[in-house]
Amino acid sequence: QVQLVQSGAEVKKPGSSVRVSCEASGDTFRSYTITWVRQAPGQGLEYMGRIIPIIDATNYAPKFQGRLTITADESTNTAYMDLSGLGSEDTAVYYCARSRPTAIDHWGQGTLVTVSS
Amino acid sequence: AIQLTQSPSSLSASLGARVTITCRASQGISGFLAWYQQKPGSPPKLLIYDASKLEAGVPSRFSGSGSGTDFTLTISSLQPEDFATYYCQHFHSYPYTFGQGTKLEIK
Repeated sequence: QVQLVQSGAEVKKPGSSVRVSCEASGDTFRSYTITWVRQAPGQGLEYMGRIIPIIDATNYAPKFQGRLTITADESTNTAYMDLSGLGSEDTAVYYCARSRPTAIDHWGQGTLVTVSS
Repeated sequence: AIQLTQSPSSLSASLGARVTITCRASQGISGFLAWYQQKPGSPPKLLIYDASKLEAGVPSRFSGSGSGTDFTLTISSLQPEDFATYYCQHFHSYPYTFGQGTKLEIK
């Protein structure tokens, strides 16, 4: 059974950084891509970026280039999403997900990140 | 980046009705399109991939079609559990953007 378990909710100050973790079960790290998607309150889904753990390759959506870093630790089957320079517009639920080449097929439970002074 | 435009943005329909949601891409994406269903407080759920392939475990009342720039998601007979928000996403070229969503409500 595929499971993606994310870290808990965070409250951050403007200008700070946040790290969200995502522990995957099974063969996720060996055979799949880990993707990060976020959803602001009452809004739609926004694609952020991905990592292919087996080759340690990353891609970031242009909007997040320069302040988003996605990493993976194969020894613990855990992926990390680091976002810096937080502003109120970054308040959202952040999801990690397992991706196949043409679909996202399993999702974590989501992590609420609130940016507030 | 490729943009996906869904229509309508919201839709009211009755139980048992047939419903169609459209997703239009700003440029051709071949058949590299997926559809998801999302209910409040939950992550999205994959319904359709490669434009028309039904994900395992998804009821057969869901179907997808299209290629190039125009795609549709059809629900043949609405059930109570189908009232949710639906998103399309392309996988043609990076970044793999989503449509803005279509909220399906009970009439």
